[in-house]
Amino acid sequence: KAGVTQTPRYLIKTRGQQVTLSCSPISGHRSVSWYQQTPGQGLQFLFEYFSETQRNKGNFPGRFSGRQFSNSRSEMNVSTLELGDSALYLCASRTGTGGYGYTFGSGTRLTVV
Amino acid sequence: DQQVKQNSPSLSVQEGRISILNCDYTNSMFDYFLWYKKYPAEGPTFLISISSIKDKNEDGRFTVFLNKSAKHLSLHIVPSQPGDSAVYFCAGPDEKLTFGTGTRLTIIP
Repeated sequence: KAGVTQTPRYLIKTRGQQVTLSCSPISGHRSVSWYQQTPGQGLQFLFEYFSETQRNKGNFPGRFSGRQFSNSRSEMNVSTLELGDSALYLCASRTGTGGYGYTFGSGTRLTVV
Repeated sequence: DQQVKQNSPSLSVQEGRISILNCDYTNSMFDYFLWYKKYPAEGPTFLISISSIKDKNEDGRFTVFLNKSAKHLSLHIVPSQPGDSAVYFCAGPDEKLTFGTGTRLTIIP
């Protein structure tokens, strides 16, 4: 069974640009969540999508957005990049409800210069 | 509001000894807790969990203890091995998975 696939693995962008990250969940998983990991901040929840609808949202500015497609694949977009957006962005999928059964991808390392 | 807290950012333990990682939570609605292990440049992987109806769950070298009155849980690893060197996150689920800030465990050979 294929795991959660995130692309690209590494990305370097310039301040002010925008970026789109992609996540393909495990087959059959309808929920996709996004997390940001920075040193000292742990894993900060960005948002969760379930059946193409945003189900939960964390405390991030509107520059961070996402969407989910009918095949459950998800994309995350960050506009007007700031240096502080440099982080490891992790995607996790699960079947549906409950706090269990999260499987994480290896992440996309975004560096903003 | 940090609902799950790991107050020790790092911990060093000699190989073969016991590693104890601690986690405190504030949300009494959490009915299940999970520990994840993370290596650099990889996503977190599930390690062990505990339901709030239990106070202990054991899986091989890993044991998680839950003290509901103190809103505290701990992960014990015994004996510690070099491959255990990683960042450990505790998490509590409500509508989403809420993680602590992590503890970097280093096992000294």
